[in-house]
Amino acid sequence: AQTVTQSQPEMSVQEAETVTLSCTYDTSESDYYLFWYKQPPSRQMILVIRQEAYKQQNATENRFSVNFQKAAKSFSLKISDSQLGDAAMYFCAYRSYTSGSRLTFGEGTQLTVNP
Amino acid sequence: NAGVTQTPKFQVLKTGQSMTLQCAQDMNHEYMSWYRQDPGMGLRLIHYSVGAGITDQGEVPNGYNVSRSTTEDFPLRLLSAAPSQTSVYFCASSLSRQGGIQYFGAGTRLSVL
Repeated sequence: AQTVTQSQPEMSVQEAETVTLSCTYDTSESDYYLFWYKQPPSRQMILVIRQEAYKQQNATENRFSVNFQKAAKSFSLKISDSQLGDAAMYFCAYRSYTSGSRLTFGEGTQLTVNP
Repeated sequence: NAGVTQTPKFQVLKTGQSMTLQCAQDMNHEYMSWYRQDPGMGLRLIHYSVGAGITDQGEVPNGYNVSRSTTEDFPLRLLSAAPSQTSVYFCASSLSRQGGIQYFGAGTRLSVL
């Protein structure tokens, strides 16, 4: 079974600075997807970014980018120019090609943005 | 532009009571799932469905039942609520088997006393 680990329960960053959230995963599969979801205090789960394992190029969405290291099974999220609205719980998630829509989540990292 | 709709948003139950959490999506998604979120544990899969009439168990299915009679609806039933089922519950749906992004409802906060 796949597992996802986020070793940083809490992180903080100054507004306008850059922060990196870590995620490692364990799988024996070669094809899969990785996601970062954001959960603000409203509780809504919001997709931040998606990476397909067969793509070597790291995904980027505006101020959000990932560092995907397939051999090391590492998938970190970098937030540049942090904004107060980035404060939230961030979850890393894994989805296999063969297990349909099921997501395996990490424990989450609570990000605080200081003004 | 409803997306995934969950009702109710909040619920308090007494131990032993039963209830149904409702989930509906209007995007014609084949896949629907139920997760529970507990502090420090992320989201864990309870049950999922790959289409009308087809359901299967996830990681933590005990104490919960599901059915999928239509593409749009995927209710989660608690047969006899226990305090261990106090949690936040999320319903999600996705369009395709591979690569489909999952869309989440707003969640239901359930307390079992």
